[in-house]
Amino acid sequence: GNSVTQMEGPVTLSEEAFLTINCTYTATGYPSLFWYVQYPGEGLQLLLKATKADDKGSNKGFEATYRKETTSFHLEKGSVQVSDSAVYFCALSERWGSSNTGKLIFGQGTTLQVKP
Amino acid sequence: DSGVTQTPKHLITATGQRVTLRCSPRSGDLSVYWYQQSLDQGLQFLIQYYNGEERAKGNILERFSAQQFPDLHSELNLSSLELGDSALYFCASTPGGQGPFGEQFFGPGTRLTVL
Repeated sequence: GNSVTQMEGPVTLSEEAFLTINCTYTATGYPSLFWYVQYPGEGLQLLLKATKADDKGSNKGFEATYRKETTSFHLEKGSVQVSDSAVYFCALSERWGSSNTGKLIFGQGTTLQVKP
Repeated sequence: DSGVTQTPKHLITATGQRVTLRCSPRSGDLSVYWYQQSLDQGLQFLIQYYNGEERAKGNILERFSAQQFPDLHSELNLSSLELGDSALYFCASTPGGQGPFGEQFFGPGTRLTVL
């Protein structure tokens, strides 16, 4: 079945450091890929998305490129801030269809802690 | 603010009890998904409704059930509660059957604690 694997955390960085959180997926067909972020005590917020191979999603300085050849969607940011401290989830969405429901399949989440 | 609301925010109850969690989707969204977030299982899909009809089931226990009402709000009913049911329960909604790019919009969640 479809699955998502993220690098284990926690990841601890100093402010202004470069961030990479690895995400790989297994899927049939052509899923959409997402990064969601969960700040402490809050729900999930969509951070960025990509819907086809070679698409680059970007938002708030974060980027991720849909790599079909390596089945990856790694999250990067050039300079992290303390306010980026949160849990980051990589997810894929099965295409809506007769047997697929569009449900999201999540990775296990990676906790990022940024220190001043 | 995603536009998805969930009530209550926190719920504390005892084993064996029954609770109901409520979700109001974004205006116009027809599809509601329920997810459970727990420390050991991570984020898991439970069930989906589309325009009042159940469309898909995931890892949902038989003690759990859900429904979507004509005004499109949804309720998740959890019965015979066990300690292991303690978790954060999210609902998410999408316009039509699926968002334009498959994205879902999440509510703030209901934290259930079973004592």
